[in-house]
Amino acid sequence: GENVEQHPSTLSVQEGDSAVIKCTYSDSASNYFPWYKQELGKRPQLIIDIRSNVGEKKDQRIAVTLNKTAKHFSLHITETQPEDSAVYFCAASRQGSYIPTFGRGTSLIVHP
Amino acid sequence: NAGVTQTPKFQVLKTGQSMTLQCAQDMNHEYMSWYRQDPGMGLRLIHYSVGAGITDQGEVPNGYNVSRSTTEDFPLRLLSAAPSQTSVYFCASSPQSGANVLTFGAGSRLTVL
Repeated sequence: GENVEQHPSTLSVQEGDSAVIKCTYSDSASNYFPWYKQELGKRPQLIIDIRSNVGEKKDQRIAVTLNKTAKHFSLHITETQPEDSAVYFCAASRQGSYIPTFGRGTSLIVHP
Repeated sequence: NAGVTQTPKFQVLKTGQSMTLQCAQDMNHEYMSWYRQDPGMGLRLIHYSVGAGITDQGEVPNGYNVSRSTTEDFPLRLLSAAPSQTSVYFCASSPQSGANVLTFGAGSRLTVL
């Protein structure tokens, strides 16, 4: 089955810095890569996703890149703000499979 | 649209007690699933269902039962609670068509003493 590795487990940055979270996957058939954000005490919510037919996708301050050859994808957050502090999960799934495999999460702390 | 509704939000059990975590969705999603979240372990899949009458095991199914008699409801049963089942539980649903986007419930925090 699919295995998703996520690094780092904890990331501490100063407000205004950029943050990068990286994930690798094992199943070359995976073609859908969502990212979920979970604020303290809240439910995970989708913030951005990418499909294997594109290499990069942006939405304001967040972007995701995908390297299919190397089987890794990354979340980039620019100009971080304290409200970006949360746990971020990457995931991977195959076309037609509604069950994603999650990484273990990255706790992002943005210091004012 | 309420989305995915989980009850209860908090529960304390004694070892050996049984209970049911309720999950209901009003989005007519075919797929529903249960995850447990433990520190440093991410979201681990317990059981899932692709439609009414169909369920299957995920990564960590032991100690849990599920059923799916309707499209809307997907309860998770703990038959004999153990301290190792102390966790936060999330129910999630997603549609069959389109993107595989999960909508999560608010979570249920369970403590087993």
